[in-house]
Amino acid sequence: GDKVKQSPSALSLQEGTNSALRCNFSIAATTVQWFLQNPRGSLINLFYLVPGTKENGRLKSAFDSKESYSTLHIRDAQLEDSGTYFCAAETTGNTGKLIFGLGTTLQVQP
Amino acid sequence: DTTVKQNPRYKLARVGKPVNLICSQTMNHDTMYWYQKKPNQAPKLLLFYYDKILNREADTFEKFQSSRPNNSFCSLYIGSAGLEYSAMYLCASSRAQKYEQYFGPGTRLTVL
Repeated sequence: GDKVKQSPSALSLQEGTNSALRCNFSIAATTVQWFLQNPRGSLINLFYLVPGTKENGRLKSAFDSKESYSTLHIRDAQLEDSGTYFCAAETTGNTGKLIFGLGTTLQVQP
Repeated sequence: DTTVKQNPRYKLARVGKPVNLICSQTMNHDTMYWYQKKPNQAPKLLLFYYDKILNREADTFEKFQSSRPNNSFCSLYIGSAGLEYSAMYLCASSRAQKYEQYFGPGTRLTVL
């Protein structure tokens, strides 16, 4: 978790509100992936990013390789958004190896 | 279809006994990975196959073996399970190295 730092570590949101999760990298990240771990432990792919932004429904993610960070924005949070969000980075020279953060545990309250 | 399958979903093993976990994908991905995930820890890469070439992480080199008899199938083998092997084992695949990785549902291994 030192090379990829996620914040916050835990977050509680009211249904319908917005929030942002962040990953800071102390490595030269070339690509970033965001995952949601569901209650059964499976990792669901959310985004795969080269530097830039992507949007999918209520989720939007950005990756800035020069400033070494990535964000995941959740709009209009729903109960089913609850879970642990992981970001993972790939770096130059470590072909194929994803370095994960420790995750942000999100709980959406009704 | 971006499905990666893992069997079994749950595995109970005795200390000192071998464990074999199985992963398969039908996406014709040439790279397959095994990660270990423990509670409150980040997933940790154990090893990966690029085509028929096995790459193992230095700190887990002697603890895990793997085989890939064909493009679709990859196994993770523990010769003698210890209590510290209890974890979720996640398999992933990608079209090539440096492409998006897709994860299977995981196998939860409990060693007693």
